[in-house]
Amino acid sequence: RKEVEQDPGPFNVPEGATVAFNCTYSNSASQSFFWYRQDCRKEPKLLMSVYSSGNEDGRFTAQLNRASQYISLLIRDSKLSDSATYLCVVNGEGGGNKLTFGTGTQLKVEL
Amino acid sequence: DTAVSQTPKYLVTQMGNDKSIKCEQNLGHDTMYWYKQDSKKFLKIMFSYNNKELIINETVPNRFSPKSPDKAHLNLHINSLELGDSAVYFCASSQVWGVAPTDTQYFGPGTRLTVL
Repeated sequence: RKEVEQDPGPFNVPEGATVAFNCTYSNSASQSFFWYRQDCRKEPKLLMSVYSSGNEDGRFTAQLNRASQYISLLIRDSKLSDSATYLCVVNGEGGGNKLTFGTGTQLKVEL
Repeated sequence: DTAVSQTPKYLVTQMGNDKSIKCEQNLGHDTMYWYKQDSKKFLKIMFSYNNKELIINETVPNRFSPKSPDKAHLNLHINSLELGDSAVYFCASSQVWGVAPTDTQYFGPGTRLTVL
């Protein structure tokens, strides 16, 4: 079983749609959870951290379910500029800043 | 101002050659990393240095040798390049090594290595 699993997509959605991505992780000792965004042929960039209580940043909402080892990202009112690959990231074995990345979910927002 | 920079951006070379990739960060961070992203876009950590000390060394062939001359620089030397080494190599840095839940890693633009 992969340490971090995501549906690779692509998710093709019209502008203005709401889209949700899910991710599961295998290491129950993981303490830190993130969503990173990677544009085509660019480096990954932090989109948001994910907290147990859930957190929101504008159109983006992240949720964490520790019992189910499940992380989600909800994007409301999708924009063309949201088109990218969204990487689910957890800190893996060894803790600290040793991050384990999922393979990413590709989002394409269309007119 | 570029926070994490890498050179070169593209590297095309023949099998068997030795090559180096350089990374520099001007963020004043203590910790630096090398990641490899393969053709399937899977991003995997290779090495991490904290204050010039090696703290992560994943299962990487010993043809790969990182070097950190100071905490702002982390270079990667690769000996006897193989076809399977073709990938994008990303350098990253973070402020500290620890369990800070919000310690962001900042990535460089990547070096696209093609081995022919």
